[in-house]
Amino acid sequence: DIQMTQSPSSLSASVGDRVTITCRASQYISTYLNWYQQKPGKAPKLLIYAASSLQSGVPSRISGSGSGTDFTLSISSLQPEDFATYYCQQGYSTPLTFGGGTKVEIK
Amino acid sequence: EVQLVESGGGLVQPGGSLRLSCAASGFTFSSYEMNWVRQAPGKGLEWVSYISSSGSTIHYADSVKGRFTISRDNAKNSLYLQMNSLRAEDTAIYYCARNKRPDAFDIWGQGTMVTVSS
Repeated sequence: DIQMTQSPSSLSASVGDRVTITCRASQYISTYLNWYQQKPGKAPKLLIYAASSLQSGVPSRISGSGSGTDFTLSISSLQPEDFATYYCQQGYSTPLTFGGGTKVEIK
Repeated sequence: EVQLVESGGGLVQPGGSLRLSCAASGFTFSSYEMNWVRQAPGKGLEWVSYISSSGSTIHYADSVKGRFTISRDNAKNSLYLQMNSLRAEDTAIYYCARNKRPDAFDIWGQGTMVTVSS
């Protein structure tokens, strides 16, 4: 199975800050990497697919990059609605696996 | 509006069975691969099962293989998860999720809670 490791597991940031979350796969996954945002009591929401493609309706301050085993989710200027938990997920092979999550909290 | 609505969750004793349903609307259900994903209370996301658009290809997580069965009825725009031999560790919110190639989940239901406890 492909293990997905996210870092950090949590972070505190202020509105307007640039935030970067990393995700590392235990083996090569090309660009088969997706990012989700989840708010308390809600279903996850797809933000980025295929490592860097922005899902329709997602603001352009959110971006993704990477290939192979190392990936990054960036938020250029953190907004109040961005405080949430973020998950990466590999779509390279079954079992499809998620990272452990990164909780972004208000400083 | 594109929508997925799960139902069928509840409280069940260890060793019991439950059948979850997911009703799809607002898109051509028969054209899409589908998945079940779960989330234990306070924990992260875990993929459970995948089914192709025709139902001919199915995959399971090792944690549920042999106990859970995914199926679909394209005429009824519905996805199902039959869960047998339930264990305490199966306690979670179960989400159905539409597949977006390459294997992202672009539409999610609101989830249905399954609690396995005596």
